[in-house]
Amino acid sequence: AQSVAQPEDQVNVAEGNPLTVKCTYSVSGNPYLFWYVQYPNRGLQFLLKYITGDNLVKGSYGFEAEFNKSQTSFHLKKPSALVSDSALYFCAVRARGYQKVTFGTGTKLQVIP
Amino acid sequence: EPEVTQTPSHQVTQMGQEVILRCVPISNHLYFYWYRQILGQKVEFLVSFYNNEISEKSEIFDDQFSVERPDGSNFTLKIRSTKLEDSAMYFCASSEEGPGGNTIYFGEGSWLTVV
Repeated sequence: AQSVAQPEDQVNVAEGNPLTVKCTYSVSGNPYLFWYVQYPNRGLQFLLKYITGDNLVKGSYGFEAEFNKSQTSFHLKKPSALVSDSALYFCAVRARGYQKVTFGTGTKLQVIP
Repeated sequence: EPEVTQTPSHQVTQMGQEVILRCVPISNHLYFYWYRQILGQKVEFLVSFYNNEISEKSEIFDDQFSVERPDGSNFTLKIRSTKLEDSAMYFCASSEEGPGGNTIYFGEGSWLTVV
């Protein structure tokens, strides 16, 4: 079975400050990991993914994520938050050989002007 | 940029009625999916579809649900005899390939309200 934990329901950060949204996962074998963002009443928008190789993955809108195998984590980061980054962020995992992607419960990011 | 399109964006239906949600996946994609999200909460996998058959499904996807690719472009989710707890946002998605690091691209969703 595969699972994702996003321990924070909400993260508040001041505009211009760095942000981190936490994610840990559980899966058999090496994982494929994803981050998606959802704006109100919209679909899920792909941000970035980890497949293999470099542990630091860069994605859309200045976001990056660091894969840490020993801690089974894939935290999302951005050096300088924008008010427009305020949204719901989902971490997701897929086990190798499977099609199903399992999502975490989501973390609401609030960037305060 | 190619995108997954879904219709209707919102549907209200009476409990016990049948509903069909429609999707047009990205044209060169081979794998299709349905997910649902209840009240902005967790996104749940329902089913994946490849080569005109279901390739994986979750325990949520029981006999009440069915999927079909009726032609070369559409992909549908049918819910027979809807229940109140079927009220959710249903997302269609597609990917070029299935297993692996292939990105799944989601549509904007169909909001289903069962009354």
